[in-house]
Amino acid sequence: AQKITQTQPGMFVQEKEAVTLDCTYDTSDQSYGLFWYKQPSSGEMIFLIYQGSYDEQNATEGRYSLNFQKARKSANLVISASQLGDSAMYFCAMRGQGAQKLVFGQGTRLTINP
Amino acid sequence: DGGITQSPKYLFRKEGQNVTLSCEQNLNHDAMYWYRQDPGQGLRLIYYSQIVNDFQKGDIAEGYSVSREKKESFPLTVTSAQKNPTAFYLCASSLFAGAGANVLTFGAGSRLTVL
Repeated sequence: AQKITQTQPGMFVQEKEAVTLDCTYDTSDQSYGLFWYKQPSSGEMIFLIYQGSYDEQNATEGRYSLNFQKARKSANLVISASQLGDSAMYFCAMRGQGAQKLVFGQGTRLTINP
Repeated sequence: DGGITQSPKYLFRKEGQNVTLSCEQNLNHDAMYWYRQDPGQGLRLIYYSQIVNDFQKGDIAEGYSVSREKKESFPLTVTSAQKNPTAFYLCASSLFAGAGANVLTFGAGSRLTVL
């Protein structure tokens, strides 16, 4: 079974600062995938970034990067140069080997202050 | 533009009534999913379908039913057997069912409130 833990219920950051959202996971699978989604107040889940367990490089997508530390089972999301529009809920999720579903963490509410 | 349409956006139900939430996708995706989200919590899987006329229970299927008669459509019925149905319901789809970088695309959600 897979489990995702996000220990930061809420974070407050000044605009233009970088922010790191924590995510740890638990799995016995050798092959798995890690995802980050953003949920604005409108409710829709927006895919941000993906990291495969065998990927040697940390994934990057524009201002988003994933700090993947396999030995620590950690997959933190880093947002550089935060913007007011980054204020939202952020969810870490994983899919285990051969699994059909994504397992989600409880989320972190990020607020960007001007 | 391709995407997922969920309707209605808001729904109110009296206790004892069944309600059906609609989910339609025009992405030509094989797999579709229903998730439930409660305040302050992550998403939990209700049902998923890999192909037409086939679906599997997720982690919290009790009190829910689904059908997959068409590739584009995956409606969810919340039955009177669901003890605490007030929640935000999200439909998703993916190109195929399975592992790897198989990204889920989500709809805008339906918020169900039981009066």
